[in-house]
Amino acid sequence: LAKTTQPISMDSYEGQEVNITCSHNNIATNDYITWYQQFPSQGPRFIIQGYKTKVTNEVASLFIPADRKSSTLSLPRVSLSDTAVYYCLVGDSGTASKLTFGTGTRLQVTL
Amino acid sequence: DGGITQSPKYLFRKEGQNVTLSCEQNLNHDAMYWYRQDPGQGLRLIYYSQIVNDFQKGDIAEGYSVSREKKESFPLTVTSAQKNPTAFYLCASSQQVGVRGYTFGSGTRLTVV
Repeated sequence: LAKTTQPISMDSYEGQEVNITCSHNNIATNDYITWYQQFPSQGPRFIIQGYKTKVTNEVASLFIPADRKSSTLSLPRVSLSDTAVYYCLVGDSGTASKLTFGTGTRLQVTL
Repeated sequence: DGGITQSPKYLFRKEGQNVTLSCEQNLNHDAMYWYRQDPGQGLRLIYYSQIVNDFQKGDIAEGYSVSREKKESFPLTVTSAQKNPTAFYLCASSQQVGVRGYTFGSGTRLTVV
């Protein structure tokens, strides 16, 4: 079971780039890294997923070093609406019973 | 428009009563899940189902029951045996069991009064 460790909270000003790092020292060969975003009283929303190197979509970028023991979610030019909790998950298909979201990183964006 | 529908959004229950939370998806996903979230905490897996008529316990299944008679539906019953049922309940689905492509419902907030 690959446990993840994230900062409990982060603060940022609007317009800045935010990088949230997740540690997953016990990641297995078949594991993917996935990030979700959750607003209060809503279900989490899929942001991005990757296996190695760099993945980019219209919302964020995900950087994964060669050893895959950590990953960094990068949010470019955050706005107030990016204030949310961000979860890092590590796992592969077939292991849903062992997936845990943890407490995530609470990002607060201010003017 | 495909998605997951949870109902009701808010639910109040008297102590000692069973209550059933509804979860319906029209995404044609095989796997469905129920999570519980307490204030300021992450999500904890209650039950999950990979196919119709099959389901497995998650980390905190005690006091809960589920059924999967149809692919689209995965109702969760919170029984009187659940000692602290007040929480935010989230249903999710995915094409396969696993991390990729979880779609979540909007949640049901259950309060015991």
